[in-house]
Amino acid sequence: GENVGLHLPTLSVQEGDNSIINCAYSNSASDYFIWYKQESGKGPQFIIDIRSNMDKRQGQRVTVLLNKTVKHLSLQIAATQPGDSAVYFCAGNTGNQFYFGTGTSLTVIP
Amino acid sequence: DVKVTQSSRYLVKRTGEKVFLECVQDMDHENMFWYRQDPGLGLRLIYFSYDVKMKEKGDIPEGYSVSREKKERFSLILESASTNQTSMYLCASTPAGGPNNQPQHFGDGTRLSIL
Repeated sequence: GENVGLHLPTLSVQEGDNSIINCAYSNSASDYFIWYKQESGKGPQFIIDIRSNMDKRQGQRVTVLLNKTVKHLSLQIAATQPGDSAVYFCAGNTGNQFYFGTGTSLTVIP
Repeated sequence: DVKVTQSSRYLVKRTGEKVFLECVQDMDHENMFWYRQDPGLGLRLIYFSYDVKMKEKGDIPEGYSVSREKKERFSLILESASTNQTSMYLCASTPAGGPNNQPQHFGDGTRLSIL
């Protein structure tokens, strides 16, 4: 099957620091990727997406980087805030569906 | 704003029961999906539907069926519940177009326990 995974299951950062969450994928045919945020007791919430014709995309306080050579993408969160504490996971498309990573649990230390 | 509503947040059922999980979206989306989410495994696709009365199997359809009689409603059915179906179930939807080239809108999930 397809493999979309995350490098670290947990990450702790100080409030105000930048966070970097990583994700690897295995299918070179994947051409669309999404980052989701999942807070406790809630469903996944869309953060940002990127298509394979780009290597960087920026949103509000978030940046996604895509390295197709090594099949890696990352989510950068600038000036991390307590409200950013959640599980973050990536998804990549293959065939007619998405495959999801297992998630990194981000804890922001005040 | 898109709203995907799952009828129950928590559900406890017994082994062998027939279980219905309901999902409704209010944005006239064509595509709807059912996933289960287990620790360490990520979301896994059970079934999806791209139109009324249409359905496609995902990666783990065994033990499940689905029903889509109306565009806004997508039901997941556990034909005879077993303990290994204890999980968080998530419903999602997307507008018309490919099911895998746009973000999915998720409900808040149903945590199902089978005793």
